Amino acid sequence: AQTVTQSQPEMSVQEAETVTLSCTYDTSESDYYLFWYKQPPSRQMILVIRQEAYKQQNATENRFSVNFQKAAKSFSLKISDSQLGDAAMYFCAYRSQRYGGATNKLIFGTGTLLAVQP
Amino acid sequence: DAGVIQSPRHEVTEMGQEVTLRCKPISGHNSLFWYRQTMMRGLELLIYFNNNVPIDDSGMPEDRFSAKMPNASFSTLKIQPSEPRDSAVYFCASSLARLGGLHFGNGTRLTVT
Repeated sequence: AQTVTQSQPEMSVQEAETVTLSCTYDTSESDYYLFWYKQPPSRQMILVIRQEAYKQQNATENRFSVNFQKAAKSFSLKISDSQLGDAAMYFCAYRSQRYGGATNKLIFGTGTLLAVQP
Repeated sequence: DAGVIQSPRHEVTEMGQEVTLRCKPISGHNSLFWYRQTMMRGLELLIYFNNNVPIDDSGMPEDRFSAKMPNASFSTLKIQPSEPRDSAVYFCASSLARLGGLHFGNGTRLTVT
């Protein structure tokens, strides 16, 4: 079974600085998606960025980028120029691309709580 | 696009009462998921529908929980009878089959006293 591990329960960053959140996963599959979701205090789950495993190029969305290392099964999130609004819980998640059935569910890590200091 | 719509946003009930949570997925999405979030257990998948058919309900805690999807635009999660340990935030999410990420509703915070 696939698992997702986030080893940093909490992180802190100064406003305007850069922070990297870590995520590792375990799978025997070759085709899958990886995601980072943000959950602010409002509890809404917001999709921040996604990466298809077959793509070698790292995904980027404005100030958010990932470092995807498929062989190492590592998927870290880098937030540049951190803003106060980035303070939230961040979840790493895995989804199989295999057709059909229970394999298509989203598997979450335990989350990293990011604090942004002014 | 109205997004995934869940109701109610908050629910407070007494132990033993029946609770029904509702979800309207994004139009055109054919996969629907119910997740539960607690501090102790994080985000847990309860049940997953594809084309209105339950595919994986292995996460449903026990017989007190049931979920239905009578059509492509509506799903319910029912707890009968409710217990204090059912207190959690319940999320509904939808996606287009196995493609991409899930779109989440704003969740229902359930408190059972």
